[in-house]
Amino acid sequence: DTGVSQNPRHKITKRGQNVTFRCDPISEHNRLYWYRQTLGQGPEFLTYFQNEAQLEKSRLLSDRFSAERPKGSFSTLEIQRTEQGDSAMYLCASSPRLAGQETQYFGPGTRLLVL
Amino acid sequence: GNSVTQMEGPVTLSEEAFLTINCTYTATGYPSLFWYVQYPGEGLQLLLKATKADDKGSNKGFEATYRKETTSFHLEKGSVQVSDSAVYFCALHSYSGSARQLTFGSGTQLTVLP
Repeated sequence: DTGVSQNPRHKITKRGQNVTFRCDPISEHNRLYWYRQTLGQGPEFLTYFQNEAQLEKSRLLSDRFSAERPKGSFSTLEIQRTEQGDSAMYLCASSPRLAGQETQYFGPGTRLLVL
Repeated sequence: GNSVTQMEGPVTLSEEAFLTINCTYTATGYPSLFWYVQYPGEGLQLLLKATKADDKGSNKGFEATYRKETTSFHLEKGSVQVSDSAVYFCALHSYSGSARQLTFGSGTQLTVLP
């Protein structure tokens, strides 16, 4: 069990550019989550996958944001036409499909800075 | 909707002092409650959890008891160490349809001085 990994760890981009982040969950975890964390705040939920199906999306996930998990393993989060307000830490988490098991295991995050 | 309110920081303590970080929640149904810790430069790590009323979660000397009557899940440690310096987040999970998200508090920064 190598834990949840995220790449890149840091990304600096110019306003208007597109960025894509990757998350590799713990193997055999079929649930995968994306959160956003701004400075001084707790993580806020963005979206949730069970296997390859995206089952839930937050109102925070505007049309510029899209997430995929094509084979039910890794996931990507893309932000199109980035804005300065998108600057944040993007966290990925995974959890197993076990009854009563709601513990989510987090990756180290991708810190995005939009200039 | 669900919400978590945490004691505002930052909190600064001397080594071996007693720690309490308050957490109260609002939720539908019967939530599970969590404390996560974020050390400098690292990701969120689960510290402890409780899944039903009166359960006590404990780990690394930290404890928290799920109090349904006061909707609270306060974090305590009897004797803090410098290595406990981190940001602590209270969180809840409550089923609502297919929702499986965690709802977090805003975090409490703890600094322990030698």
